[in-house]
Amino acid sequence: KQEVTQIPAALSVPEGENLVLNCSFTDSAIYNLQWFRQDPGKGLTSLLLIQSSQREQTSGRLNASLDKSSGRSTLYIAASQPGDSATYLCAVKGGGNKLTFGTGTQLKVEL
Amino acid sequence: EAGVAQSPRYKIIEKRQSVAFWCNPISGHATLYWYQQILGQGPKLLIQFQNNGVVDDSQLPKDRFSAERLKGVDSTLKIQPAKLEDSAVYLCASSPLPRRIATEAFFGQGTRLTVV
Repeated sequence: KQEVTQIPAALSVPEGENLVLNCSFTDSAIYNLQWFRQDPGKGLTSLLLIQSSQREQTSGRLNASLDKSSGRSTLYIAASQPGDSATYLCAVKGGGNKLTFGTGTQLKVEL
Repeated sequence: EAGVAQSPRYKIIEKRQSVAFWCNPISGHATLYWYQQILGQGPKLLIQFQNNGVVDDSQLPKDRFSAERLKGVDSTLKIQPAKLEDSAVYLCASSPLPRRIATEAFFGQGTRLTVV
């Protein structure tokens, strides 16, 4: 059974700082990994999708990397802003199109 | 392209009442997921459909929860009777079947259920 863990559970940083969020998964037989953002009381917004054959994906100030063999992914946020405050979730897609989520990292970027 | 539509957005019910949620996935998406997200936790898969067949419902509390996917398109999730611990956000997502590469999942805005 796939298990996905995210560290840290919560993070508070000053504006402008670069930060890294971690995601680890127990079964490396995945097809892709997706990073989502969730604002309080809202649904999920997809940020980045990395296929299993890829090493990283970039979108603006976000960069996600994937090391499938070690079961790890990181989400790098450059020059953080207060508007980045949200919960960040990673999810891995395995056989049968099954999508398993991590526990999330709650990020707060302070002025 | 229209996204995943869910309704209602919010629902407040008393314990032991019943409630139903509706989801309309993106047109052509074969896979439909229902997730339960309790405050402060990651989403937990309740049921996964592929077309109108169930792929995984191992974490669905079948004594009170039921779900169906009509003609492989829209889906409803029902809780009867509701308990206090069912208070959560219920998320619906859809995804195409993988072809040469695995595909992205798209989520609706969710339904926030409060059981009092």
